[in-house]
Amino acid sequence: LAKTTQPISMDSYEGQEVNITCSHNNIATNDYITWYQQFPSQGPRFIIQGYKTKVTNEVASLFIPADRKSSTLSLPRVSLSDTAVYYCLVGGNTGGFKTIFGAGTRLFVKA
Amino acid sequence: NAGVTQTPKFRVLKTGQSMTLLCAQDMNHEYMYWYRQDPGMGLRLIHYSVGEGTTAKGEVPDGYNVSRLKKQNFLLGLESAAPSQTSVYFCASSPPGRTPVTEAFFGQGTRLTVV
Repeated sequence: LAKTTQPISMDSYEGQEVNITCSHNNIATNDYITWYQQFPSQGPRFIIQGYKTKVTNEVASLFIPADRKSSTLSLPRVSLSDTAVYYCLVGGNTGGFKTIFGAGTRLFVKA
Repeated sequence: NAGVTQTPKFRVLKTGQSMTLLCAQDMNHEYMYWYRQDPGMGLRLIHYSVGEGTTAKGEVPDGYNVSRLKKQNFLLGLESAAPSQTSVYFCASSPPGRTPVTEAFFGQGTRLTVV
């Protein structure tokens, strides 16, 4: 599985757009990029996945440059309830049965 | 629409006691997983199963056993609990052909304290 690097923590204010970048320099051709969100005392929740270019859903957008060596999770107009840990995962449908969750990025949204 | 349900949600054990954590999913998923999460850290895979009757070791399997007798259930056992097993345990499942790297559904967690 490709190693990922993301910031340990980020602060933001309500109403701002938050961008969390993940580096994955050794991503393989068949790898997908997936982001999970984890609230305190809850299990991680899948939020978005992409392979290249841009993906958008009702929660977030995921931007992936052409070289795919990094990706950016974009949360539009965050609220206090977006305070959570965000994990970036890179891999395919095989070889996923290993340690794949790093420490993630702790996002603090302030009023 | 229950998804992944873990039982119990909280438990305190004395060192040396045994217990079983139950995970049940109602999504007909082939793959199921048990993770542990220690304070301030990500999740580490304990054991996983790719189908009924199959199990395999993850990164941190020592001190744990698992069974998958029914497709919808995945049990995690601690035969002789140790304080180092104090953690939050998460169960997850994923559809055929997909793994936690692509998409998985997690339970709410079981907070286990071993004293």
